[in-house]
Amino acid sequence: ETGVTQTPRHLVMGMTNKKSLKCEQHLGHNAMYWYKQSAKKPLELMFVYSLEERVENNSVPSRFSPECPNSSHLFLHLHTLQPEDSALYLCASSHSLAETGELFFGEGSRLTVL
Amino acid sequence: GQQLNQSPQSMFIQEGEDVSMNCTSSSIFNTWLWYKQDPGEGPVLLIALYKAGELTSNGRLTAQFGITRKDSFLNISASIPSDVGIYFCAGQPTFGNEKLTFGTGTRLTIIP
Repeated sequence: ETGVTQTPRHLVMGMTNKKSLKCEQHLGHNAMYWYKQSAKKPLELMFVYSLEERVENNSVPSRFSPECPNSSHLFLHLHTLQPEDSALYLCASSHSLAETGELFFGEGSRLTVL
Repeated sequence: GQQLNQSPQSMFIQEGEDVSMNCTSSSIFNTWLWYKQDPGEGPVLLIALYKAGELTSNGRLTAQFGITRKDSFLNISASIPSDVGIYFCAGQPTFGNEKLTFGTGTRLTIIP
């Protein structure tokens, strides 16, 4: 198993759909993150979880809803998205919150909103 | 908010050439990191720098933490085809649980 696994790799959805992105890490890390990567923009931190507790929410619209049932799994629930939400969504983990610089990223989920 | 200016935005080089790229900030960072993203993959950490003036190597890659704490450089020697990808710098104001600021990336293309 690779370190951080994301599914699905590609997702196309309409604005009225509800879908979820899944992330699983096999590294025994305690912190997990969702980042958004859009063309020509820096990576944007969306959510941070430490030991299943959300510690940061960077003014992300409520149409994005994270869930962390345990320290190995992280979900991003999507509903009533907008076309401008189309992007690559990257999950990452780190040993602990004290090591937020040394991130291990998944391969990303490429989201297209029609 | 804090911003990192990364240059150049893109580079087209021939195999075997050396590569230099840099990252500058208007504010001080106490940690600098360099990541590489291959096409269709997530970023991978290449080098982490924790001390001003520090010079660290990882194989053919060498990175430096600028003495002013407002910049960092990454050099790649004798480039090979697998060096293709996007290189991102990232900085943290303090070591620890403070979120990273990422640069916009340098896209490296190797001309056959």
